[in-house]
Parts: sequence; C-alpha cells; structure tokens
Amino acid sequence: ETGVTQSPTHLIKTRGQQVTLRCSSQSGHNTVSWYQQALGQGPQFIFQYYREEENGRGNFPPRFSGLQFPNYSSELNVNALELDDSALYLCASSWRGRTNEKLFFGSGTQLSVL
Amino acid sequence: AQSVTQPDIHITVSEGASLELRCNYSYGATPYLFWYVQSPGQGLQLLLKYFSGDTLVQGIKGFEAEFKRSQSSFNLRKPSVHWSDAAEYFCAAGKSNFGNEKLTFGTGTRLTIIP
Repeated sequence: ETGVTQSPTHLIKTRGQQVTLRCSSQSGHNTVSWYQQALGQGPQFIFQYYREEENGRGNFPPRFSGLQFPNYSSELNVNALELDDSALYLCASSWRGRTNEKLFFGSGTQLSVL
Repeated sequence: AQSVTQPDIHITVSEGASLELRCNYSYGATPYLFWYVQSPGQGLQLLLKYFSGDTLVQGIKGFEAEFKRSQSSFNLRKPSVHWSDAAEYFCAAGKSNFGNEKLTFGTGTRLTIIP
C-alpha cells in the first residue's frame, strides 16, 4: 500500500471525447508525476507538477494537460481522445526537496478508447 | 537522447533457480538507476535504486543489482526465485539531483516461474 490512490480504476471512452483522471498523493508529498503505460510497454513520462506548476514534460501533445491542487491532489486531462491513448495511466508522488527520495506509484487508471 | 534497454522481453526460470535480468542505459552522465516490479493490474513497486557509492545494491525481496559503468549496465539478480516473483520487471533511469523525477523506463521483462 503506497498511499497514492487513483480514480477511476477503469474507464471507457470513445474517440474525440475528453477524460479526467484523478490522483491523491501520499500525505506530505509535494510533487506528482503522470506516466502513460501502453500495453506491453514501459511507462512513459507525461509531465510532473511541483507546487501547482508544471515542472517538466515528456513528448506528449498539448491535449494532455494537468492540474495540481493545494492539497497536492492532481488531475490529468486528455482532450480529443485518440485510439492510441488507450493505456494504463499511472500517478506517482514524491517529496521534492530531499535527495534520494523515491516515487510512490498508484495502481493506475486503465483507459480504453473505442 | 536518454534510453534504457531491456534486451529480454520474456524469461522463464524454474522455481529455486537463479535469475539475472539485464538492463543497459544510454545517458550523458551516470544516471540514477532503479528496478521496479509490476504485478498484473498493479502499479509499480520499487525493488532497489542506485544513486552513488557501492556498485552492488541490495533491495527488497532478496533482489540485488550491480552497476557497471564500463558496460553501462545495471543488471538485477536473485539467487533463488520463488513462484511469487512472477511479474513484469522494469529498469528505469533518472538524471535529476533528486533522482526520482522524470524517469525513463525500459520496455520491461516478463518473468515466468515454472515448478
């Protein structure tokens, strides 16, 4: 049990729709990262939020956006869904400010785009 | 560009046998290195990490990994596997001072254990 919770666990959408995924970070963590894991692949870094601001972004288009709230919970929003967006989306939290800290991952949201 | 390579997509070993999972990295400088395990339908659990110092790193569940700078490798080992070790294993690398941010993952190695 990592203390990082994601909702919903599963979601089905159709192409062109918009989706919001939610993450509740481990208590005390001030940084949240989002990863996309396509079937049979390793997770790919989408972006990271630190103190409510984006702090780095991977190779994902602008239709992937996020928010981090004062209580360190977070949202991942994806607009204009495409079939290739079908994947497991993982949220990870950590405390930025100390070295050697590790990421705590949630169990993910499985998104299917039809 | 940074990259992490796991050459073995799938490995099958007998219960009680030894295990080695390979990982190679390509980074501008020595990265921070991690091994994660993922069971079906689950998130990622950290097995061990290398930041600096001793090149042989001990982790949870009896796993260890050895950092070899000359070979750009960080292979995961276990002397005797248990049926519960069957899972997907991911090697990852990061480059920030905090070491845990913006990780680059390999494509994973699926481990099957046979009786």
